Amino acid sequence: NAGVTQTPKFQVLKTGQSMTLQCAQDMNHEYMSWYRQDPGMGLRLIHYSVGAGITDQGEVPNGYNVSRSTTEDFPLRLLSAAPSQTSVYFCASRRTGTEGNTIYFGEGSWLTVV
Amino acid sequence: AQKVTQAQTEISVVEKEDVTLDCVYETRDTTYYLFWYKQPPSGELVFLIRRNSFDEQNEISGRYSWNFQKSTSSFNFTITASQVVDSAVYFCALTKKTGNTGKLIFGQGTTLQVKP
Repeated sequence: NAGVTQTPKFQVLKTGQSMTLQCAQDMNHEYMSWYRQDPGMGLRLIHYSVGAGITDQGEVPNGYNVSRSTTEDFPLRLLSAAPSQTSVYFCASRRTGTEGNTIYFGEGSWLTVV
Repeated sequence: AQKVTQAQTEISVVEKEDVTLDCVYETRDTTYYLFWYKQPPSGELVFLIRRNSFDEQNEISGRYSWNFQKSTSSFNFTITASQVVDSAVYFCALTKKTGNTGKLIFGQGTTLQVKP
């Protein structure tokens, strides 16, 4: 069972560079989202999507773009990386039905911006 | 506004001790879900339990137990006879039940260190 798959797991960027964090899920989940984890702050929502073609902002969207062209994929783009975006990023997905609102996470992507 | 507070930043115990991780939440919603996730040193987030706001029954799963008290807005997590493998960061989280957008509100996390 692949679940939620994130790539890359580790990345070092220079300030001003752009990159995309990839996220894919094979559970046919409608909802997908991106969180960032910073020390002492838990996880905070960046962007989320309720289905293909639909995205919206979370708590900390600035500096990030997303798109949802398919149910399976939800990439997160950093257009011009800044040191403040050094963080651990988690992609998550969920479905409705018997599992209710349980959200499943990918393994995380460690990003360092120098 | 919704908020989750885990007042214990770090806890250190010796193996075989029991330990309780506190979680207090705030929400104006009448229906909601509460979660606990474990983040071991390898970094992934592991789902432990989900609790519906209508279900105040305590739950036990092996050495883990959860005490949900709506009257005090608390959802505490107890590990009985702790083991070194329990060392991790534990997060309590809250989400709305209806109109949910996949948004989890996380507490700051409690780092548990279990020493041999």
